[in-house]
Amino acid sequence: AQSVTQPDIHITVSEGASLELRCNYSYGATPYLFWYVQSPGQGLQLLLKYFSGDTLVQGIKGFEAEFKRSQSSFNLRKPSVHWSDAAEYFCAVGAPGAGSYQLTFGKGTKLSVIP
Amino acid sequence: DADVTQTPRNRITKTGKRIMLECSQTKGHDRMYWYRQDPGLGLQLIYYSFDVKDINKGEISDGYSVSRQAQAKFSLSLESAIPNQTALYFCATSESGETQYFGPGTRLLVL
Repeated sequence: AQSVTQPDIHITVSEGASLELRCNYSYGATPYLFWYVQSPGQGLQLLLKYFSGDTLVQGIKGFEAEFKRSQSSFNLRKPSVHWSDAAEYFCAVGAPGAGSYQLTFGKGTKLSVIP
Repeated sequence: DADVTQTPRNRITKTGKRIMLECSQTKGHDRMYWYRQDPGLGLQLIYYSFDVKDINKGEISDGYSVSRQAQAKFSLSLESAIPNQTALYFCATSESGETQYFGPGTRLLVL
């Protein structure tokens, strides 16, 4: 079974600073990988996903993530954070080709942005 | 209009009451899911359905039941609500088991 670890429960960054949110997964092969964002009082919105191919994936709102097989990681980055990026971010892993397809979510990283 | 809708958005109920949370989608997806979210625990899968004739338990199905009334509708029931079922509940849909699209959530409080 797959698992996901988001080591940072809460991160605070200044507006305009760069951001990196960490995600490590456990899975026997190359998984499907996702980042979702949840703004306060809202549902989950897909930021980006990786299935195969180029290991650097571009998403919405200026986010990108890099799949590193050797490190079992899929870290999310943004070069310059905006106050509207304050939210909770979830990394998720899926098992491609599995008959009972499910997503396993990390516990989330809450991002606070200070002026 | 939103692709995945959930009703109600907020619900307060008492211990022992039966309640139903509803989910509808206009995306035409075959697969639908119910999750619960608790602070600090991420999302946990309750039930999922690959089509109207296929219902599967997730990791935390005890105390819950579901009904897939049509391709577009997937309901979650709490037969006898208890306080530790207080949580935020999300419905999601997907096509071919890949990217899941989430509804806005239902906030449930069991007193």
